[in-house]
Amino acid sequence: EAQVTQNPRYLITVTGKKLTVTCSQNMNHEYMSWYRQDPGLGLRQIYYSMNVEVTDKGDVPEGYKVSRKEKRNFPLILESPSPNQTSLYFCASRTLAVGRPYEQYFGPGTRLTVT
Amino acid sequence: QQQVKQSPQSLIVQKGGISIINCAYENTAFDYFPWYQQFPGKGPALLIAIRPDVSEKKEGRFTISFNKSAKQFSLHIMDSQPGDSATYFCAAIQSSGTYKYIFGTGTRLKVLA
Repeated sequence: EAQVTQNPRYLITVTGKKLTVTCSQNMNHEYMSWYRQDPGLGLRQIYYSMNVEVTDKGDVPEGYKVSRKEKRNFPLILESPSPNQTSLYFCASRTLAVGRPYEQYFGPGTRLTVT
Repeated sequence: QQQVKQSPQSLIVQKGGISIINCAYENTAFDYFPWYQQFPGKGPALLIAIRPDVSEKKEGRFTISFNKSAKQFSLHIMDSQPGDSATYFCAAIQSSGTYKYIFGTGTRLKVLA
């Protein structure tokens, strides 16, 4: 089954404790992206990657890091989480092949609470 | 210039009615405009999308209307059903260059039975 998986689905942590949210896709997609969803603000792009070792900032990259060492994985790293990073996070992927649809496939989400 | 403004924030429609959600953008470099549907506890899923060279696209009960000169596009849900109750997001991307996705703030739709 074609899918994007995220782990963990729920996470409660304390300020300053480094954490990683993993994202993996099995569709051989070139493009992967992280979003955060907050009430009244919609989905905001954090970082995206167009291929292995190629990453770029979205609209809200401050406080986050990413890496793309393998095509299927795109972990989101919070080196020193703060309460304002409490949010619902989504990973997504899509193909960049010419002539293929631009549809992004989203993971199930990770709800992060930073106290 | 990168914003996509979406309205209304919430919408209540009777079963069988028409739901209309509007979005406006400023960046004329955007060339792909998808709508996503999100049910509680799930990730967004692509519903329908349009390119600016087309003024309207219809898929079943869902229609996108696109007004390039006004830089506006809208989603129409005909014969709205309780199962359509979800949050809807419009988005815009520039398919060459940055590939950044800009999303609207979302519309929570409730269809009353």
